[in-house]
Formats: sequence, C-alpha cells, structure tokens
Amino acid sequence: LAKTTQPISMDSYEGQEVNITCSHNNIATNDYITWYQQFPSQGPRFIIQGYKTKVTNEVASLFIPADRKSSTLSLPRVSLSDTAVYYCLNNNDMRFGAGTRLTVKP
Amino acid sequence: EAQVTQNPRYLITVTGKKLTVTCSQNMNHEYMSWYRQDPGLGLRQIYYSMNVEVTDKGDVPEGYKVSRKEKRNFPLILESPSPNQTSLYFCASSPPPRGPNTEAFFGQGTRLTVV
Repeated sequence: LAKTTQPISMDSYEGQEVNITCSHNNIATNDYITWYQQFPSQGPRFIIQGYKTKVTNEVASLFIPADRKSSTLSLPRVSLSDTAVYYCLNNNDMRFGAGTRLTVKP
Repeated sequence: EAQVTQNPRYLITVTGKKLTVTCSQNMNHEYMSWYRQDPGLGLRQIYYSMNVEVTDKGDVPEGYKVSRKEKRNFPLILESPSPNQTSLYFCASSPPPRGPNTEAFFGQGTRLTVV
C-alpha cells in the first residue's frame, strides 16, 4: 500500500511562509502527488497536485525533487484562516494519513 | 455546480438497526469512496469503487457494505450498527486516481452516533 509520512503538527504566525514536508514511501512511477486541506467537520478540499519539479497555483506551491521521495507544500504569508489539517497523498489509492495540523497564531 | 451530496448529515440510531447513508455526485466521476474520521486518526478509507459494479475494500471495511449500481450513487450500508461505528463519515468522488487532473470532491459529511 502506498504510504506517506508527515509531521503531526506545526505552528506558525500570521504573515509567515509555511513549508510542510511529506515523505512518499513506495511512490509508483505514474503516481501524482496531491495535497488537501481540511477544516473541522468539513470534507477535505483539494489544494494542489504535481508530478515533479515545482507547481504553483493561487494558494500554494508544491516542490517535488527529482527522486520524488518527498514533497513540500509551501503556503505563502499564512493567515489565521489557514489553520487546518493538511494531507499529502500518493494519488493512486486515495488513502489519507493522519495529516499535519497547522495552527496559525496572531 | 460540482457537488457530492450525502444524506443524512446527522443520524442517531440504536445498535443493530440497519441504516443507509446515501452519496450522490453530479460530475460523472468513475471513482467513488467512503471514509470515516475519528479524533486523531485522520481519514480512513472504508470502501471504494472504480466504476459501476466494481467495488473493493479499503482499510477498515468490517461492518460496512456498499453498492454501485449507478455511476452517480454510492450508498454506505451498515447492516447491524454498533457503537464503535460512531464516527464522522465522508463520501468522495474523482476521476480515476491515477494520472493528472484527479482532484477529489468530498461531501459535507455525515455524523453518525450509535447508542
């Protein structure tokens, strides 16, 4: 089974850049890497997806090194509303781990 | 509007009384799945379906059944609910999860309490 490992929790302050790193064990050649955000009592919401190098959209950047054994989600200038749980996935089996609980403080 | 709709949103039931949680999507997605979420355990996959009439077990299938008779619907069935199935349940749909452009959409969740 594909499995990912990420920190259980992180703290940050408003206006800072936050980087959350994920280890992608056993990632398959054709797997994409996807990140989701979840607020309490809501379903996860798609943030960003990539295969390798760097992907950027209006809310985040995703960095994937050449060996694809890890990925880093970068959130620029976080605000209090970015407090949530963030999940990384090897996209082939849609299995979520425990995620990283990000707390943004004023 | 792209949507995954679950019903009911909240349910309190008694041990052993069969129940069904419905899930419907309007995006013509092939892949659908069910998850349960318990404090500190993230999302655990119960069952998934790659397409109509194709279902398979996830990580925690015991005590649950599913069916996929139509592409848009993927109901979760608890034949004999027990208190340890008290949880928050999410349904999701997406294109086949391999390859690009495979954003998954989630329902609003169903909070189930079994007493």
